[in-house]
Amino acid sequence: DAGVTQSPTHLIKTRGQQVTLRCSPKSGHDTVSWYQQALGQGPQFIFQYYEEEERQRGNFPDRFSGHQFPNYSSELNVNALLLGDSALYLCASSLGDSPLHFGNGTRLTVT
Amino acid sequence: GENVEQHPSTLSVQEGDSAVIKCTYSDSASNYFPWYKQELGKGPQLIIDIRSNVGEKKDQRIAVTLNKTAKHFSLHITETQPEDSAVYFCAASGLGSQGNLIFGKGTKLSVKP
Repeated sequence: DAGVTQSPTHLIKTRGQQVTLRCSPKSGHDTVSWYQQALGQGPQFIFQYYEEEERQRGNFPDRFSGHQFPNYSSELNVNALLLGDSALYLCASSLGDSPLHFGNGTRLTVT
Repeated sequence: GENVEQHPSTLSVQEGDSAVIKCTYSDSASNYFPWYKQELGKGPQLIIDIRSNVGEKKDQRIAVTLNKTAKHFSLHITETQPEDSAVYFCAASGLGSQGNLIFGKGTKLSVKP
């Protein structure tokens, strides 16, 4: 039973570029949440997708957008990258009010 | 909004000793409190969680206690082992908002053999 998988594992982008990160939820899960984890900090909630719609959103600008597909997989898009967007981006999946299961993340470096 | 404070930021214990990590939260509406362990290069892994209708929960060497009146909850690890070394995060969320976890800043636990 595969857990949450994220791709790519590492990514280097230049300031001003756009990036797309991908997530496949744990088998049987239908809800995907995205988090940003800066170095030495706890994860911060970006948004959550359920039934292909954004259900909740944290305090992140509109440069951060997402999508959920009919197979429950999800993408996180970030436009106009800033140096401060460098972080570990974590995807978590769940079903109903079950606990969140996290993937190992995508390490994004913006230069 | 919710704010979660976590202490200490670093904790060093001898193998076999107990470790305690404490968190406080600000929003009295929060009712779900998970603890995650994060090893280097990996994502957070759930180790135990507690809901507000329970004061204590135990799973082998790990226990969590919750004091809703004081708005604080603690993680207790007994008989620590070197493989317990990692960063531990507490988190809180409200009813129907379990996807929106508010995390503490983490505690780096080192267990010395």
